[in-house]
Amino acid sequence: QLVLTQSPSASASLGASVKLTCTLNSGHSTYAIAWHQQQPEKGPRYLMKFNSDGSYSKGDGIPDRFSASSSGAERYLTISSLQSEDEADYYCQTWGMGIRVFGGGTKLTVL
Amino acid sequence: EVQLVESGGGLVQPGGSLRLSCAASGFTFSTYSMNWVRQAPGKGLEWLSYISYSSSTIYYADSVKGRFTISRDNAKNSLYLQMNSLRDEDTAVYFCAREISPYGPNDYWGQGTLVSVSS
Repeated sequence: QLVLTQSPSASASLGASVKLTCTLNSGHSTYAIAWHQQQPEKGPRYLMKFNSDGSYSKGDGIPDRFSASSSGAERYLTISSLQSEDEADYYCQTWGMGIRVFGGGTKLTVL
Repeated sequence: EVQLVESGGGLVQPGGSLRLSCAASGFTFSTYSMNWVRQAPGKGLEWLSYISYSSSTIYYADSVKGRFTISRDNAKNSLYLQMNSLRDEDTAVYFCAREISPYGPNDYWGQGTLVSVSS
C-alpha cells in the first residue's frame, strides 16, 4: 500500500524559510512525488515534480523561492523568502500502477 | 491557457445520482490522461479516478469503485463522472485534474464543483 505522511501544520515568519516534509512508507522510498499548493477557497495549484534522481521540474510560473530535495524516504519542499500569499495548504502526491495518492496536507501559517 | 471548468454539482439526497462534467480548453485534450479528485469539507485531497487519454485504462479508488463511473468524450473536450448510490460521506468539492503526459502527477486543476448529499 502506497502511503504519504505529512505533518498537519507548520509555521514560519515573513521573509524566512520553511521546509515541509512528506514521507513515503516502507518499500516505496524511491518513488517520485509532486507538490501542490492550495490557497484558501481555491483549487490546488501544481508546484513541481520531484524525481527519484533528485531532479525536479516546476509548473508554469512557479517562482525560484520554491525548491525540492530529499533524504531517503523523505521528500522536502523548501520555500524561501516567505510571503503572505504562501500561507496555504501544501499536499504531496505520488502515483503507481492503478493508484494515485495524496498526503494528508500541511497547513502553513506565515507569521 | 489551460482551463478546466467543472459543472454539475448540487444538492442530492442519499441514494441519488449526479453527473459531473469537466470542460477542457487550451490544450489537446485527447492526448492527456485525466483524474477526478475530491475534498470533503475541512479535509484533504482524495484521489477518486483516472482515465487514460484513449479511455482504454481506467482506475478507481476503493471508496467509489462500483458506484462512480469515469468517462470522456475527446470530440467534446469533456471529462465526466457519473456518481450513483450517493452517500453522506460523498459530500465534497470535486476537482478534475490533468495528468502530466505520459504518466505522473496532476499539473492543472479546475476550480471544483460542490456536491452535497443530504436528506
